[in-house]
Amino acid sequence: AQTVTQSQPEMSVQEAETVTLSCTYDTSESDYYLFWYKQPPSRQMILVIRQEAYKQQNATENRFSVNFQKAAKSFSLKISDSQLGDAAMYFCAYRRGPNDMRFGAGTRLTVKP
Amino acid sequence: EPEVTQTPSHQVTQMGQEVILRCVPISNHLYFYWYRQILGQKVEFLVSFYNNEISEKSEIFDDQFSVERPDGSNFTLKIRSTKLEDSAMYFCASRDTGVGNTIYFGEGSWLTVV
Repeated sequence: AQTVTQSQPEMSVQEAETVTLSCTYDTSESDYYLFWYKQPPSRQMILVIRQEAYKQQNATENRFSVNFQKAAKSFSLKISDSQLGDAAMYFCAYRRGPNDMRFGAGTRLTVKP
Repeated sequence: EPEVTQTPSHQVTQMGQEVILRCVPISNHLYFYWYRQILGQKVEFLVSFYNNEISEKSEIFDDQFSVERPDGSNFTLKIRSTKLEDSAMYFCASRDTGVGNTIYFGEGSWLTVV
């Protein structure tokens, strides 16, 4: 079974600074997809960034980027120039094929002004 | 931007009652999902639905649960006889064809069973 592990229950960052959230996963597959979702207090699940396992290049979306290490099964999220609005719960997720997605337990990010 | 919409946003129900949670997926999407998040816990997969039938379900999705696409736009989750432990946020999600396409989530329906 595929599992996703987020080892940091909570993280804190100063506004305008950079923070990295960790995620590791366990799979025997070679083709899969990885995602970071943000869940603000409203509890909506918002896609932040995605990575296809067959792509070697790390995905970037504005201030958000990932460090995808396929051999190590690691998929960390870097948030640059942190803003107050970035404060949320962040979930790492793995998906193989068309169906279900497995989520990690989440990391609660606090942004200090 | 198109989005997945869910109703109700919050429902309180008596234990043993039936509940129907409704979702309108993004219009051109063909794959539909329900996920559950118990307060303070991770998001858990319940079921996926494609071509008018369940394509995959988790061990959580037992006989108390059912899904239906009654018309061309709605996708519903029914819980036949609610239990206290069914209290959770239920997320509907959908995606387009293409195995790698992103799954988009609705804002969730918060169910409280008392």
